[in-house]
Amino acid sequence: GQNIDQPTEMTATEGAIVQINCTYQTSGFNGLFWYQQHAGEAPTFLSYNVLDGLEEKGRFSSFLSRSKGYSYLLLKELQMKDSASYLCAVMDSNYQLIWGAGTKLIIKP
Amino acid sequence: SQTIHQWPATLVQPVGSPLSLECTVEGTSNPNLYWYRQAAGRGLQLLFYSVGIGQISSEVPQNLSASRPQDRQFILSSKKLLLSDSGFYLCAWRGGEDTGELFFGEGSRLTVL
Repeated sequence: GQNIDQPTEMTATEGAIVQINCTYQTSGFNGLFWYQQHAGEAPTFLSYNVLDGLEEKGRFSSFLSRSKGYSYLLLKELQMKDSASYLCAVMDSNYQLIWGAGTKLIIKP
Repeated sequence: SQTIHQWPATLVQPVGSPLSLECTVEGTSNPNLYWYRQAAGRGLQLLFYSVGIGQISSEVPQNLSASRPQDRQFILSSKKLLLSDSGFYLCAWRGGEDTGELFFGEGSRLTVL
């Protein structure tokens, strides 16, 4: 079966750095996505990784290791508005997205 | 630019009543369209996807159905709602020429009582 695992909830402090991990087991691999979802709202696209390594976009970075079936999302200089759920999704060999349950990130002042 | 809209935003419906959620995309032609459901604490569950008018693929057998009467219109329906149909429904289209990322509508919160 296909499976995406990420922690259910994490807590961090404003101004700090947090790393949200995602491990996956899928039928094929055609890229990994990270989305941000604020409570009651639709997900919005954050990043895409298809090759091993680190992709940086401002305060957010995403890392991929295909051999380990592992990715992480790194958030720096945390702000209160970063409080949200972060969804990891993998595109399988049929180009369908397999979604993790999401990690709820709580930012404390 | 491309936009996607879905409505209504919130629904409270009794068990056994019908359902119709509508989604439209503007600024693109022949989009791949998707309906997802998100239950509390769970990942997005793909319900239906469509690659063109009248072409619907169902991923999960249940009492929901989908239709695509026009190129940029995607409708989710049910004849008789169940309690288990409660959830957050999301319409999406696949954009992103390089990455194929999904762009989501605003979402529809359905509560079945």
